[in-house]
Order: sequence, then C-alpha cells, then structure tokens
Amino acid sequence: DADVTQTPRNRITKTGKRIMLECSQTKGHDRMYWYRQDPGLGLRLIYYSFDVKDINKGEISDGYSVSRQAQAKFSLSLESAIPNQTALYFCATSDQSGANVLTFGAGSRLTVL
Amino acid sequence: GQSLEQPSEVTAVEGAIVQINCTYQTSGFYGLSWYQQHDGGAPTFLSYNALDGLEETGRFSSFLSRSDSYGYLLLQELQMKDSASYFCAVRDNTGGFKTIFGAGTRLFVKA
Repeated sequence: DADVTQTPRNRITKTGKRIMLECSQTKGHDRMYWYRQDPGLGLRLIYYSFDVKDINKGEISDGYSVSRQAQAKFSLSLESAIPNQTALYFCATSDQSGANVLTFGAGSRLTVL
Repeated sequence: GQSLEQPSEVTAVEGAIVQINCTYQTSGFYGLSWYQQHDGGAPTFLSYNALDGLEETGRFSSFLSRSDSYGYLLLQELQMKDSASYFCAVRDNTGGFKTIFGAGTRLFVKA
C-alpha cells in the first residue's frame, strides 16, 4: 500500500459543485500539506497542518478549505468549484527532520467544467 | 514573501553533465531541497542543503551558497531515465517551516 493515498484520482465536476479530495497517510507523520500543480507554475501550497488541531493557510488558500480529521487524514474541499480550479492536486506528509522531506501522494486530477 | 527562479527547460545528451540553477528570495530561509518528478508521477525528494557547500548522492549533487541565495543541482553521467522535471524548494521558517517550490525545470535527455 502507498504511504500517502489520495482519493479520487480523477474527478470531473461542474461549476458550483462542492468537491472533497481526501488524503490518508501511513507514515505516522504529524505534518500534512495540500499542493496544487499547474503547468509552468510548479507546486503551490494551499493549506498545511502540523497536528490535528493546527491548520494554516498557504500561498493560495482562497476558494479552498481543509479538515484534519485525524493524524492520518487531511481533506481538501472546494465549496463551490470554478473552472480555474482545474488542476492536479497533491497531498503530502513530512517528517520532522531538518530537511522536512515531503512524501507525496499520487495526485488527484480535478477538472471543473 | 518567497520566490524561486529556475530555468524552464534544459536539454542535454546522454552521458553528459547538466547543472540546473536556482535563485531564491525568502524572509526566513532554512534550507534548499530538490525534487524530481517524472511525467504522470508524484514529486520525489532528491537532496537537501542547509549549509553552504556541496552534497553528493550518487550521480546527483546539490550545492548551496546562502550568501548568494543560490543553489544548483548537478546531474552527472546523464541517462535517458533522468528526463523529468526538477524543482528547487525552500524550507521557510515563517509561519512554521513550510516548503515553497519553484516552477520547475524540464530536463530533456537526448540519445
């Protein structure tokens, strides 16, 4: 089984719909992240969480919300999806080493029509 | 805020050496990492530099100069499988040690 599992892997939805992307990890790490990847823009941080009671906004949090349901689970929600939220979304977890090595899930490709 | 600059594309031939540069601006620099991402895959960690100097891991090396806000990834003995995107990323200690990525460099390795 993968260390970081994302569901769904692919989703096509319509403008205005509510979407939830789920992430679970078996690494036992406290730190979890959601990134968005667009061609030519790299990975941009949406939200991050350092423990169950901690939620922090990243570079591009507008239009998104998150929930840290447990140490192993971190979900990303789009309350009312819009076409410019079409992107590849990655969940990641990291250790507490100095390098803060990120382990990524396989990604969730979201298309908003 | 933070910003990272790296070339968008680099092309090299199999067996050659290639260097991918990264310059960064951040208010709370803690370290520079490099990640590799193949098409359709997830980014994977390659290396990390917190102090000035060169870190070597097999065919890959990474360099950091904190005074110049500059680093590079050096790939030696290039292989076709090295064709991928490479991202530099800064660990920033403002707001609790988050990692911010550059836009990535697409490396094409030709036979």
